[in-house]
Amino acid sequence: RKEVEQDPGPFNVPEGATVAFNCTYSNSASQSFFWYRQDCRKEPKLLMSVYSSGNEDGRFTAQLNRASQYISLLIRDSKLSDSATYLCVAKSSSNTGKLIFGQGTTLQVKP
Amino acid sequence: EAEVAQSPRYKITEKSQAVAFWCDPISGHATLYWYRQILGQGPELLVQFQDESVVDDSQLPKDRFSAERLKGVDSTLKIQPAELGDSAMYLCASSTNPGTVYEQYFGPGTRLTVT
Repeated sequence: RKEVEQDPGPFNVPEGATVAFNCTYSNSASQSFFWYRQDCRKEPKLLMSVYSSGNEDGRFTAQLNRASQYISLLIRDSKLSDSATYLCVAKSSSNTGKLIFGQGTTLQVKP
Repeated sequence: EAEVAQSPRYKITEKSQAVAFWCDPISGHATLYWYRQILGQGPELLVQFQDESVVDDSQLPKDRFSAERLKGVDSTLKIQPAELGDSAMYLCASSTNPGTVYEQYFGPGTRLTVT
């Protein structure tokens, strides 16, 4: 079983739709969590950190449920430019701060 | 804005040949990472340096892969001999302090094709 699991999709949604991605992690000792965005054939870039209380950045909302070991990303009012792969990431409890990436969820926003 | 530099951007090599990738992290970033990303998967850490020391190489196939960061600045990842299964994107990233909540900044990657 992978340490961080995501539904690879693709998710095909129309512009303006609300879409949610889910992610589960297996290591309960994981301390920090992130969502990275990766455009086709580009490098990953940090989208947002995920806090236990939930956090919002514009149209993006991230939530963490430690009891269920579950992370989510909600995108409201989808734009064409949101089309990308979204990587769920867990930071290990080791002192090296190793990041464990999920395989990514692909989003395609259609006009 | 400071960026992580990588070269080459693309590399095609025949199996059994040697190949090397170079990375120059953001100035002042003590931690450097090499990841491998196979198409359709997330990046997987190969090796992590803190300054010039390796702190994690548990996923590095040491029979054919080697990495160094001699002066604690730029780094080289080498594969010898390359195998067909090594075809992937090799990403370098750097960060300031892995002990805190921090961001890893990725370079543009080297796309390797082994024929």
